[in-house]
Amino acid sequence: AQTVTQSQPEMSVQEAETVTLSCTYDTSESDYYLFWYKQPPSRQMILVIRQEAYKQQNATENRFSVNFQKAAKSFSLKISDSQLGDAAMYFCAYRRPNTGNQFYFGTGTSLTVIP
Amino acid sequence: GAVVSQHPSWVICKSGTSVKIECRSLDFQATTMFWYRQFPKQSLMLMATSNEGSKATYEQGVEKDKFLINHASLTLSTLTVTSAHPEDSSFYICSAPLGGRGNQPQHFGDGTRLSIL
Repeated sequence: AQTVTQSQPEMSVQEAETVTLSCTYDTSESDYYLFWYKQPPSRQMILVIRQEAYKQQNATENRFSVNFQKAAKSFSLKISDSQLGDAAMYFCAYRRPNTGNQFYFGTGTSLTVIP
Repeated sequence: GAVVSQHPSWVICKSGTSVKIECRSLDFQATTMFWYRQFPKQSLMLMATSNEGSKATYEQGVEKDKFLINHASLTLSTLTVTSAHPEDSSFYICSAPLGGRGNQPQHFGDGTRLSIL
């Protein structure tokens, strides 16, 4: 299985401030896909943002953006203007290309937003 | 709206019984679905890949005789936990990719909370 590592089990941020969640992964493949998912207390998995490894441009989705460093195998998530509704577990995920297309998840980061 | 439906959402049963969990893709066909297990405050662990019309592919360490997977149609995969014991209690989640392109995300069911007494 692929290894996806999130080194921050817990993070907190003040409302309206910016926070960055880190993710690193281990792969020998050159073409793959990376995702960030959010899991609120309801435990529903919600897609936050995705990145194709062949694209150099970092993906952005409104207040969410990534810093993708392919050589370093790093894929961090930046949340700007944090809102109370952003509080959740965040999982970084790696998708194997073509062969089975399995997803492998990191260990997760629990984000608390302080009002 | 939901694109993947998972049922039941919560089940409590006695030790030794078998429990079936259904995962349905809504309005799209899924030749592949995935089953995950999640312990409290932990990550999703891929258990197996469910393949329509063929045998499931299990991850290392997952007992295929304990966790039976059947993908009988292009919209339905089932996970049966056989002879369940308290250590099988967990949160089980299924997912399906919307389309075959690699950048398509997984769409997840809402999960099943399984409690074995």
